[in-house]
Amino acid sequence: KNEVEQSPQNLTAQEGEFITINCSYSVGISALHWLQQHPGGGIVSLFMLSSGKKKHGRLIATINIQEKHSSLHITASHPRDSAVYICAVYSGGGADGLTFGKGTHLIIQP
Amino acid sequence: ETGVTQTPRHLVMGMTNKKSLKCEQHLGHNAMYWYKQSAKKPLELMFVYNFKEQTENNSVPSRFSPECPNSSHLFLHLHTLQPEDSALYLCASSQYQGTGPPYSPLHFGNGTRLTVT
Repeated sequence: KNEVEQSPQNLTAQEGEFITINCSYSVGISALHWLQQHPGGGIVSLFMLSSGKKKHGRLIATINIQEKHSSLHITASHPRDSAVYICAVYSGGGADGLTFGKGTHLIIQP
Repeated sequence: ETGVTQTPRHLVMGMTNKKSLKCEQHLGHNAMYWYKQSAKKPLELMFVYNFKEQTENNSVPSRFSPECPNSSHLFLHLHTLQPEDSALYLCASSQYQGTGPPYSPLHFGNGTRLTVT
């Protein structure tokens, strides 16, 4: 089973700062997801990627397949970005093949 | 509006009670899932239904009993739970194509916060 490690576990930053959240995994994958969970509990899918880089607004996700590593960047961070960011990797084998990280708790202070 | 609606949002139940969690998706998806999220732990897959057929039961205790009457509705029936079952229970749906990564993207509900006393 894939091991997914996220860092940092907790991050507090000031509004406007550039944010980086990291995700490493142990076994080769076919897809990686970045998810956002707000305090209310609901989870939103931000990105699904298998190579390279994707951008959506102020969010950028990159993946390095050889190094088994992905990063999520937030530019010009805002208090509304405060949430838990979860990395999940799919390495095949049905629903069991989707492995989640524990999440990074991000707080952006005004 | 997430497209996946869960009720109730909060539930407190005693260890001898019987209750049910409900999930409804309005996205036309053909696969639905129950996940458990405990404090400081990653999401854990509990059950998967593809085309109303249960395809995964991830070693979940029998005190949790899923039901999928149609592709839009999913229930989780609870009975004689333990305090360690207290967690956030999340329902999700997706369109399963039959090949490749089938669980992307997942659409989650807001969850039911369950407390077992």
